[in-house]
Amino acid sequence: GAGVSQTPSNKVTEKGKYVELRCDPISGHTALYWYRQSLGQGPEFLIYFQGTGAADDSGLPNDRFFAVRPEGSVSTLKIQRTERGDSAVYLCASSLSGANVLTFGAGSRLTVL
Amino acid sequence: EDQVTQSPEALRLQEGESSSLNCSYTVSGLRGLFWYRQDPGKGPEFLFTLYSAGEEKEKERLKATLTKKESFLHITAPKPEDSATYLCAVGDQAGTALIFGKGTTLSVSS
Repeated sequence: GAGVSQTPSNKVTEKGKYVELRCDPISGHTALYWYRQSLGQGPEFLIYFQGTGAADDSGLPNDRFFAVRPEGSVSTLKIQRTERGDSAVYLCASSLSGANVLTFGAGSRLTVL
Repeated sequence: EDQVTQSPEALRLQEGESSSLNCSYTVSGLRGLFWYRQDPGKGPEFLFTLYSAGEEKEKERLKATLTKKESFLHITAPKPEDSATYLCAVGDQAGTALIFGKGTTLSVSS
């Protein structure tokens, strides 16, 4: 597609539930990133994929967070046993082969009640 | 530890009133200084990349400059459509992630 597509745009869930957020990057972009943005803060890095592999997952806050990109295109961010503190906008971005000029999607707003 | 600090947090201008936003950074080795614009409900949109002190880049009413310790985003004769949050970021030591500041929210009234 023309841009980075993220679904759902909004997700409301209850504490303890499992959530999946999907990102469809720009066609041909080999690098894919997940960031998290809390209200009034800048985006915070979570994980970086180069192709199918996670090249840097140092930003994942704990083992409840996991992300995959099985075919080197679409990626899914998975959050287990959600907590209220996980509420934020989850941003996906892609770029050509790891260049730092990122194209961001509009984000998935997650609210944990 | 790499850090990015932006000031002011919020800035209100009248249309045509020029001003500057500041981004100060602490990094072990600069791997690019990036400016993004973010509108409400949208993801950040890339504006500029600067790599070395003294470098300047311009786009319409915006000009970004870089020194060894900070970057400025100068806005000349702003219009209401320039209202947004402006984010500054630096490349991390691994060269894989961007470290963002909290942003400056600019409001331009007519």
